[in-house]
Amino acid sequence: SQQGEEDPQALSIQEGENATMNCSYKTSINNLQWYRQNSGRGLVHLILIRSNEREKHSGRLRVTLDTSKKSSSLLITASRAADTASYFCATDWTSGSRLTFGEGTQLTVNP
Amino acid sequence: DGGITQSPKYLFRKEGQNVTLSCEQNLNHDAMYWYRQDPGQGLRLIYYSQIVNDFQKGDIAEGYSVSREKKESFPLTVTSAQKNPTAFYLCASSKWTGETEAFFGQGTRLTVV
Repeated sequence: SQQGEEDPQALSIQEGENATMNCSYKTSINNLQWYRQNSGRGLVHLILIRSNEREKHSGRLRVTLDTSKKSSSLLITASRAADTASYFCATDWTSGSRLTFGEGTQLTVNP
Repeated sequence: DGGITQSPKYLFRKEGQNVTLSCEQNLNHDAMYWYRQDPGQGLRLIYYSQIVNDFQKGDIAEGYSVSREKKESFPLTVTSAQKNPTAFYLCASSKWTGETEAFFGQGTRLTVV
């Protein structure tokens, strides 16, 4: 079964606005990762946050992790049309040692 | 260049036929994964391998088989037992299972004709 679930399923914003995507998961994890997928391509790793971290930044990306609520959020600031893609969270179970993905959020940034 | 390569990019299968999808990596990664992605959906784990000569079933292993005879290679066979094989298949590798970032191939789009 899928470990992570993203919310919203689809998000459409204007260039320059911020985009926030959320991910919820069910079991204890070692870390949570965010990936990006352009249509018809493979996934590209964006950022990894460990279970003992609460916030992490990388360029225009900000990720938060709340292990008490089993949730994470990805914030993309000052979005660009090139940010249009699907974004997935992935979790590594503490008991399973396997990487499982959510359903993804389709982000559209309009010029 | 280091990376992970999937081939072919497009594959057509006739009903009742087995086909094998190739996945090769030169990143010296121990862990390799196969995922299936249906249109507009997330990734579902088919099989994964943490070391050579060992692999584990994922969530949707029925109708698929794998082998891990070499560290660099993790081929996936879609057998005739898989009743709905049309999908986008993604292979990935990571240094350790789930503990570090995964690198993905560009995918193989399989269509049943």
